[in-house]
Amino acid sequence: GAGVSQSPSNKVTEKGKDVELRCDPISGHTALYWYRQSLGQGLEFLIYFQGNSAPDKSGLPSDRFSAERTGGSVSTLTIQRTQQEDSAVYLCASSLGVGEKLFFGSGTQLSVL
Amino acid sequence: AQRVTQPEKLLSVFKGAPVELKCNYSYSGSPELFWYVQYSRQRLQLLLRHISRESIKGFTADLNKGETSFHLKKPFAQEEDSAMYYCALSYSSASKIIFGSGTRLSIRP
Repeated sequence: GAGVSQSPSNKVTEKGKDVELRCDPISGHTALYWYRQSLGQGLEFLIYFQGNSAPDKSGLPSDRFSAERTGGSVSTLTIQRTQQEDSAVYLCASSLGVGEKLFFGSGTQLSVL
Repeated sequence: AQRVTQPEKLLSVFKGAPVELKCNYSYSGSPELFWYVQYSRQRLQLLLRHISRESIKGFTADLNKGETSFHLKKPFAQEEDSAMYYCALSYSSASKIIFGSGTRLSIRP
């Protein structure tokens, strides 16, 4: 089976535009995470979905960021009114459950001009 | 607040030398700790987790609750060990996994 799939792999946008990043987790994985990877900052936790529980949004940096997970599978991370500081690699990961091994996607490289 | 600290951004050692990548955490409960690795042009992947008490690619890590550390060690570095290494923590009450800032390991021939 396929691993975690993210699209697009690269996204270049203009400051002020909205972007949507997509993540297809491994089938059967109930947990889904979004992280932001930038130079010098490591992996910054953004949001976590676990089954039907309310998502843990504690890592979202501002109200311009939001995420959904439809039907317990595909997730979309939306960034509204993008800023240059949003430029980073956005990583999605899924796991079978709580505290289990994470399987990462290859990421979306977002560049805000 | 729960935190994972990797004090070294870059660690450079010669092939055959011992390696120790430092990781300290702050959490008062019983954490689950991991090391993840990202090789050049590959996805981030799990290297090892403390509950497994296993050795992967010659690497080991011991949880020291007294020092709140989970350092990654290998007695003899190999060139293929060059990669970015991240320490990660899961705290049982909240379940999310948080990562440190990472250490880039460079093995010199």
